Amino acid sequence: GAVVSQHPSWVICKSGTSVKIECRSLDFQATTMFWYRQFPKQSLMLMATSNEGSKATYEQGVEKDKFLINHASLTLSTLTVTSAHPEDSSFYICSARETGDTQYFGPGTRLTVL
Amino acid sequence: QQQVKQSPQSLIVQKGGISIINCAYENTAFDYFPWYQQFPGKGPALLIAIRPDVSEKKEGRFTISFNKSAKQFSLHIMDSQPGDSATYFCAASTATSGTYKYIFGTGTRLKVLA
Repeated sequence: GAVVSQHPSWVICKSGTSVKIECRSLDFQATTMFWYRQFPKQSLMLMATSNEGSKATYEQGVEKDKFLINHASLTLSTLTVTSAHPEDSSFYICSARETGDTQYFGPGTRLTVL
Repeated sequence: QQQVKQSPQSLIVQKGGISIINCAYENTAFDYFPWYQQFPGKGPALLIAIRPDVSEKKEGRFTISFNKSAKQFSLHIMDSQPGDSATYFCAASTATSGTYKYIFGTGTRLKVLA
């Protein structure tokens, strides 16, 4: 149980375009979903927290207009990187929690912006 | 006060040996301490977690030791195997804020020699 999927697993896009990443909880209803960014050989950096039907709460320093988060249902959250630039290239990982403390992580999405 | 300090940064262990990774925290409001294992290019996977009312928790070859007074906790991997070679992250969270956000340690890259 407690499986989280992400789609796509990798994406390459041109600078200036927008990219959408989906995060789904497959076998549970996610009260909260989290989006992280991870640079090579570094820890996970929390970008934002989202609850179903509510606006996402962004961490300090994360541009909310650049990283649009939608949590439309209890099993789906999306992260849209708008007007992507090479510096946005990174590994994006989502996680989801049901009602307890435990977060279950997706497999991650590798974004490369050319 | 929100930091979780993790050490060592990297660790090399012989097959069959014990791997020990340590974490320390300051915020006494933290009440949930999970450990995650991450392989390259994958999302983190939950290994084991503990709460402050327990001093030790064991699951298979993985044991968490928790010292509430010292505000430290550690992961012990018994009979380490080459397949355990990965990056390990400790984390801490509190339910008091209502967000259940994780504060991650900086990670430990473990290499188990065959």
